[in-house]
Amino acid sequence: AQSVTQLGSHVSVSEGALVLLRCNYSSSVPPYLFWYVQYPNQGLQLLLKYTSAATLVKGINGFEAEFKKSETSFHLTKPSAHMSDAAEYFCAVSRGTALIFGKGTTLSVSS
Amino acid sequence: GAGVSQSPSNKVTEKGKDVELRCDPISGHTALYWYRQSLGQGLEFLIYFQGNSAPDKSGLPSDRFSAERTGGSVSTLTIQRTQQEDSAVYLCASSLSSTGSYEQYFGPGTRLTVT
Repeated sequence: AQSVTQLGSHVSVSEGALVLLRCNYSSSVPPYLFWYVQYPNQGLQLLLKYTSAATLVKGINGFEAEFKKSETSFHLTKPSAHMSDAAEYFCAVSRGTALIFGKGTTLSVSS
Repeated sequence: GAGVSQSPSNKVTEKGKDVELRCDPISGHTALYWYRQSLGQGLEFLIYFQGNSAPDKSGLPSDRFSAERTGGSVSTLTIQRTQQEDSAVYLCASSLSSTGSYEQYFGPGTRLTVT
């Protein structure tokens, strides 16, 4: 069965600092992996997805993630945080139809 | 183009009452999903529809929950005899197909409060 673990329920960074949000997955088959962002009182928006085409995936708003099969990881990074990046981030794995989500990581950005 | 829409945006109901939540998917999307987001449980899959196939109801927490999709488009999630633990945000999503690589587009959600 697929599952996702997000390490750290809350991450705080300064504006301009590196953002690193961790995600580890468990899957018996090659997975489809996603990162979604949720701003307050809004639905989820796709940041990027891994579908086995390339291990380094670039998404919107300067985010990227690297699929590492040996580590079963799909960590999300951004070189320089912006105040507008403050939100909740969810890693998800597709079980073929529905998405299985991690518990989420809240990113805070301070000036 | 128009995204996924959900109504109402907020719903307050008394324990024991029935509620209906509506989802309008993106036009042309054949797959539709319902999820529930709550503080204690995070984001949970509830039910999924693909075209005219029988829905996957494996995520529904009890038989008080049901959903239908009419004409392959609009979907309604019904919760009967609501309980306080049903309080959550109910999110609807749609995608072009149910194949796992297709992006799911989410609506803004319906916040349900059971008093």
